[in-house]
Amino acid sequence: DAKTTQPPSMDCAEGRAANLPCNHSTISGNEYVYWYRQIHSQGPQYIIHGLKNNETNEMASLIITEDRKSSTLILPHATLRDTAVYYCIVRTQTGANNLFFGTGTRLTVIP
Amino acid sequence: GAGVSQSPSNKVTEKGKDVELRCDPISGHTALYWYRQSLGQGLEFLIYFQGNSAPDKSGLPSDRFSAERTGGSVSTLTIQRTQQEDSAVYLCASSPDRGGDTQYFGPGTRLTVL
Repeated sequence: DAKTTQPPSMDCAEGRAANLPCNHSTISGNEYVYWYRQIHSQGPQYIIHGLKNNETNEMASLIITEDRKSSTLILPHATLRDTAVYYCIVRTQTGANNLFFGTGTRLTVIP
Repeated sequence: GAGVSQSPSNKVTEKGKDVELRCDPISGHTALYWYRQSLGQGLEFLIYFQGNSAPDKSGLPSDRFSAERTGGSVSTLTIQRTQQEDSAVYLCASSPDRGGDTQYFGPGTRLTVL
């Protein structure tokens, strides 16, 4: 799976949009972009994934650049409960691909 | 619906003892993973089950670690003769079909070996 690069930490004011970037310049054509998060002392939680089109669900939006070399996860109205480590992963959807979480971005939502 | 459940949530054991950790995947999910996560670290893959196929055991760190999945549902991870370095959070995940599908995680079992 392609490697990803994320900033180690970010702060966001409560109620504002949190925009978390991810670089994946070596992504290949059949690799999807996945986002997970891990709140302290909990198991990882799936957020969203996409291939090349922008995606939106009840949790977040995913914006993927046209060249697919980077993406941004958007939490439209961050709450204190969104404080977590956010992981960007690129992977294919075939085979037994176990997940590899890098260091992620530690998002702190500030009251 | 019900998510992935794991038990116990916490386990404290003495060095040298055997432990069993249980995972109940989401009903109908055919793929099941075990990972472990040491404090402040990323996920370490341990083992993967897919349907009736032979499991992928490539991540098991030693022969003290083994896992079973009975009836294609519940899985048990067994650690024999535990060592202090086995202390970690053990996470189970399941996915609907192929291993490459989205994985849904349980809350984990925190294992402490004294």
